[in-house]
Amino acid sequence: GAGVSQSPSNKVTEKGKDVELRCDPISGHTALYWYRQRLGQGLEFLIYFQGNSAPDKSGLPSDRFSAERTGESVSTLTIQRTQQEDSAVYLCASSLAGLATGELFFGEGSRLTVL
Amino acid sequence: DQQVKQNSPSLSVQEGRISILNCDYTNSMFDYFLWYKKYPAEGPTFLISISSIKDKNEDGRFTVFLNKSAKHLSLHIVPSQPGDSAVYFCAASLNSGYALNFGKGTSLLVTP
Repeated sequence: GAGVSQSPSNKVTEKGKDVELRCDPISGHTALYWYRQRLGQGLEFLIYFQGNSAPDKSGLPSDRFSAERTGESVSTLTIQRTQQEDSAVYLCASSLAGLATGELFFGEGSRLTVL
Repeated sequence: DQQVKQNSPSLSVQEGRISILNCDYTNSMFDYFLWYKKYPAEGPTFLISISSIKDKNEDGRFTVFLNKSAKHLSLHIVPSQPGDSAVYFCAASLNSGYALNFGKGTSLLVTP
């Protein structure tokens, strides 16, 4: 597609439920990133995929968070047993290469609200 | 621990005047700095960047200044236009790596 596509754009869920967020990167982009932005905060790095290399999961806040990526295409971020503090906008970005030198293209984000 | 700080949550400027957005960082190992712009309900878009080997980078109406000794950078927009109204995020990377450290953003309002 023309840009990074994320779904759903909005998700309201009850505490304790699992949620799945999807990201379709720009075709041909080998690097994919997940960030989140909680209210009043900056963007917080979560996880990074680059080609077939092992992902960098160092930003995931707890073991309730996991992400997968199939090859160089779609990625899914899963949050298990959601908590209210998980409420945030989850942003996916992709880039041609793995360097954060300005070529990150962000999707519009998935807004998650945990009641 | 916030390594990139934008201490002004908001800024209001008249159209045609200069907008100056400030950013401070704590990690002296950061070597690449970027500004992103974000409109409501959209993802951030890259605006301008600067490497630590430079102290200024200019792109049209946008100029970024870097003061490494003060660990401070600023974004100047001149002349400001109403379409510049957005949230501006400062970001920094380590060894030009892939993980960006973002500030909390400054909301700029340019009034006609």
